[in-house]
Amino acid sequence: DAGVIQSPRHEVTEMGQEVTLRCKPISGHNSLFWYRQTMMRGLELLIYFNNNVPIDDSGMPEDRFSAKMPNASFSTLKIQPSEPRDSAVYFCASRTSGRADTQYFGPGTRLTVL
Amino acid sequence: GENVEQHPSTLSVQEGDSAVIKCTYSDSASNYFPWYKQELGKGPQLIIDIRSNVGEKKDQRIAVTLNKTAKHFSLHITETQPEDSAVYFCAANTGFQKLVFGTGTRLLVSP
Repeated sequence: DAGVIQSPRHEVTEMGQEVTLRCKPISGHNSLFWYRQTMMRGLELLIYFNNNVPIDDSGMPEDRFSAKMPNASFSTLKIQPSEPRDSAVYFCASRTSGRADTQYFGPGTRLTVL
Repeated sequence: GENVEQHPSTLSVQEGDSAVIKCTYSDSASNYFPWYKQELGKGPQLIIDIRSNVGEKKDQRIAVTLNKTAKHFSLHITETQPEDSAVYFCAANTGFQKLVFGTGTRLLVSP
């Protein structure tokens, strides 16, 4: 059974460039979460979706960040323009409605903005 | 909102010893408390969880205890092995279906 799939696993880009991170949740899960992990701030929730609808985006740091979930199998997190302080590991997690609280994490995307 | 504090930040033990990591939470409405293990270069993996209707749960060498009155919960690992070395995170849910995570404990098990 495939877990949460994220791509790319590593991304190196230059300041000012657009970055798009991708996530495929576990099949059958109806909630999806985007997190950012840094040494200074730990694991921060950026946004989450229920049934493809954004429910809470209060963790999105600023307008440079946007997220979409066009269908139940795919979500993107976009940063435009990127800045060095965006360097972090970005995780996607999904959750089944059967166990409403348990979240399963993907392997993460390590983003480096030069 | 919910706030989760986790201690200690680092923990070093000898192989075979027990390890205990403690967390406190602030929202009395929280009713779900998972523990995640994160190995280097990987995403957090759920290792055990507990809901507020029970006080203790065990899974082989891992156990979690919950004290709702004091609003704290703990992870206990017995007979530690080098492969238990990782960063462990506790979390608590909120009324808005989100998880709030502790700051993590780096566990080092020396052979």
